[in-house]
Amino acid sequence: KAGVTQTPRYLIKTRGQQVTLSCSPISGHRSVSWYQQTPGQGLQFLFEYFSETQRNKGNFPGRFSGRQFSNSRSEMNVSTLELGDSALYLCASSLGSIGTGPIFGPGTRLTVT
Amino acid sequence: AQSVTQLDSQVPVFEEAPVELRCNYSSSVSVYLFWYVQYPNQGLQLLLKYLSGSTLVKGINGFEAEFNKSQTSFHLRKPSVHISDTAEYFCAVSDLQGAQKLVFGQGTRLTINP
Repeated sequence: KAGVTQTPRYLIKTRGQQVTLSCSPISGHRSVSWYQQTPGQGLQFLFEYFSETQRNKGNFPGRFSGRQFSNSRSEMNVSTLELGDSALYLCASSLGSIGTGPIFGPGTRLTVT
Repeated sequence: AQSVTQLDSQVPVFEEAPVELRCNYSSSVSVYLFWYVQYPNQGLQLLLKYLSGSTLVKGINGFEAEFNKSQTSFHLRKPSVHISDTAEYFCAVSDLQGAQKLVFGQGTRLTINP
């Protein structure tokens, strides 16, 4: 079974631009969640989508948004990029039922200059 | 709300020695507990999880963890480490409702010396 895939793996953007990251979950998984990893703040939950609906949301500004498609693939968008948005963005998928530990992808490394 | 404290930011050990990575959590409700490992330039890999039942949980790569409800701890152990265990280890919790929303500790960097 193929794992969680994220594209692109690396990205360099300029402050003020916007960016879209993509995540393809494991086949059959209906839940996709997103995390931001930085040296200072560690791993922080952004949001979770299940069956195209946002089910949980972390404490991030509205510049961070996401969506999920009918095939469970998910995208995350960050508008008006700031230097502090530089991070590893991790996507995780799961069946969505209670107690199933999410399976993480390799991440997208975003650098904002 | 939940929080997780990993008591050691770095743990150096010699190869074939035992290791324990400590994790304490805080929560007003029952939780699920997880340990993940992150190798350089990779995502997170699930080592093991505690949902209910036996407090001793066995995971992959010879790791195990013990859930202690009274001490709100979930320490990770391995009796004999290898060079390949060098990585960062993260403890995480979720409540029973938002099971896909994990709260992570700050991580423990495990360095294995030959």
